[in-house]
Amino acid sequence: EPEVTQTPSHQVTQMGQEVILRCVPISNHLYFYWYRQILGQKVEFLVSFYNNEISEKSEIFDDQFSVERPDGSNFTLKIRSTKLEDSAMYFCASSPTGVTPKAFFGQGTRLTVV
Amino acid sequence: AQSVAQPEDQVNVAEGNPLTVKCTYSVSGNPYLFWYVQYPNRGLQFLLKYITGDNLVKGSYGFEAEFNKSQTSFHLKKPSALVSDSALYFCAVRDEAIISSGSARQLTFGSGTQLTVLP
Repeated sequence: EPEVTQTPSHQVTQMGQEVILRCVPISNHLYFYWYRQILGQKVEFLVSFYNNEISEKSEIFDDQFSVERPDGSNFTLKIRSTKLEDSAMYFCASSPTGVTPKAFFGQGTRLTVV
Repeated sequence: AQSVAQPEDQVNVAEGNPLTVKCTYSVSGNPYLFWYVQYPNRGLQFLLKYITGDNLVKGSYGFEAEFNKSQTSFHLKKPSALVSDSALYFCAVRDEAIISSGSARQLTFGSGTQLTVLP
């Protein structure tokens, strides 16, 4: 079965630094998502992306976050100035269409802000 | 607004016994319902979904879930649990009324239930 891949698997960064989390969605998918899971808490929606623009974002996705699809295969999440509370597992997901309800998730990137 | 509740943080069952992981939901339209499983240090793996049709949905690894509209529930079940089923299970919902607008709406996840199957 095709997979969503995420790199790196673990990222450690100093508070205030910028990080970029990378994702390669499934090749024929059109909708892309980022979710995060703070340790011991529920999975939370951050943002959805379609046709090279954000289609929806949650209140968590503030100005320090941005997403980009720089080429035909990658989908990135940038955190401009990391805070301690940004430490979490970040999951990328993709789906063939916005109305096809099955989202495929990557393995996640564990971000640790120190 | 759409929401999901998983009332049990932890479920323990003996291997070979049936298991149930509970989930209730709230949506304004018709629900699309999902179960995902998360093993330690792994991503979310899709188990099964309910869109329409039969209320009993069969999925991966012998799991099934029953959609009950009157009780707004979508409990995950397995007739005979395995130790390897021990993992964190998440129920998720999307509101069909929102989906039909064409928006790429997000899944809303429950808080998760840690299933431990004891040998």
